[in-house]
Parts: sequence; C-alpha cells; structure tokens
Amino acid sequence: QQQVKQSPQSLIVQKGGISIINCAYENTAFDYFPWYQQFPGKGPALLIAIRPDVSEKKEGRFTISFNKSAKQFSLHIMDSQPGDSATYFCAASKGGYNKLIFGAGTRLAVHP
Amino acid sequence: DGGITQSPKYLFRKEGQNVTLSCEQNLNHDAMYWYRQDPGQGLRLIYYSQIVNDFQKGDIAEGYSVSREKKESFPLTVTSAQKNPTAFYLCASSIDSNSNQPQHFGDGTRLSIL
Repeated sequence: QQQVKQSPQSLIVQKGGISIINCAYENTAFDYFPWYQQFPGKGPALLIAIRPDVSEKKEGRFTISFNKSAKQFSLHIMDSQPGDSATYFCAASKGGYNKLIFGAGTRLAVHP
Repeated sequence: DGGITQSPKYLFRKEGQNVTLSCEQNLNHDAMYWYRQDPGQGLRLIYYSQIVNDFQKGDIAEGYSVSREKKESFPLTVTSAQKNPTAFYLCASSIDSNSNQPQHFGDGTRLSIL
C-alpha cells in the first residue's frame, strides 16, 4: 500500500522528442505527488508537483498528467534536450504529513 | 545563499566505527529529513524531525541515530549496528511537515566502508 512504482527504469530519447515517465500508486490517501530531478553527485531538486484535484499541470516543457481513477500519474518532458539527461523520481505523500514515498527512479538520456 | 549544506562530501567508515554526517540549513525550516539512496532504488526515509527536540523514525531507522538540538542542524550518526552502511545519504528540509511543502535537498554524503 505504501509503494510507488515507477517505469521505465531507463529511457533514451532523441533531442527534440518527448520523454514520458510513469508512476502508479496503491494508497488512495496520497494527496501530493511531486517529481524530482537529480544530476549525478547532487541532491534531487523539485521539478513540479500536483494534487489529485487537478488532472494536469504544466510548467514550461514539463507536464504532469494525473489519473485519479487509475491511480497513475506521469511526467512528460516536451522538446527534450541533452541538459535534461538526469534521473527522475516520482513521489507521493499523504494526509498532511510530508513523508515522501519515492519511486525507484528513471535514468533519462537525451541524445543530440 | 540560502540552502542545505551536507558535510563531508565523502566519508569512509572502518568496521565497528560510528560516523556522524552533518546537515545544516539556513532556510529557517522547521522540518528536516534524512534519506538513504542506493543504486537503482528510490530514496528511503531514515529519520525525520518536525521541530526542534523532536524526531521520529522513518522506514529504515535501524542502525542510525539523530539529534535535533538546534533548528538549523540535524546530524545523522551511522552506528556500527548498521551492517550495510555504504550508500548516498541525503538531508532535506521543508518549511513545515505539511504535505504541500516542497522538500529541499542538500548535495549528499557518500559513505563507504574501508
């Protein structure tokens, strides 16, 4: 019930393409779904986050799509650039407590 | 610059030794967290603190201890009871412990066994 399952484990995209990373969860009490971006040797940085009362949120080239009935959410990176090459983590937390449950991560490589 | 400072960047532990990882924040955040990151796995919560002089165990607290004597500091001790301590350790903080507050991370300490 606490798990957040993330796929794919790794992803290769050509420059200018769309990167899509998916996450699924079980616990319907989760009410906050952030995505983090991590470069090698650095800590994760918050990219974008969504709450279950909206189905989509867009910030620049990054979009979260949220499907409450399917208990799934995904990150779309439009016009992917080599500088987007990093590891991406989805996460979820519930009930007012900021205890994040992280997915296993997706290593994205954007080739020029 | 406001942020979270973790030190050292690299740390080596001998068998039977306790080591302490430092985490300092100047963001005036109430809540602080320690995570462990292993290759191919997401971050796992070790301990968290919602306020000074208070902390709770996370999902993998065995073999670790913390203190929160000051708002800006949340050191993590990896004790000799932690049999597999090799990992990347990340400290984070948030304004408070409510779920809509983003967590800000330091750049981690990589711990290895000698």
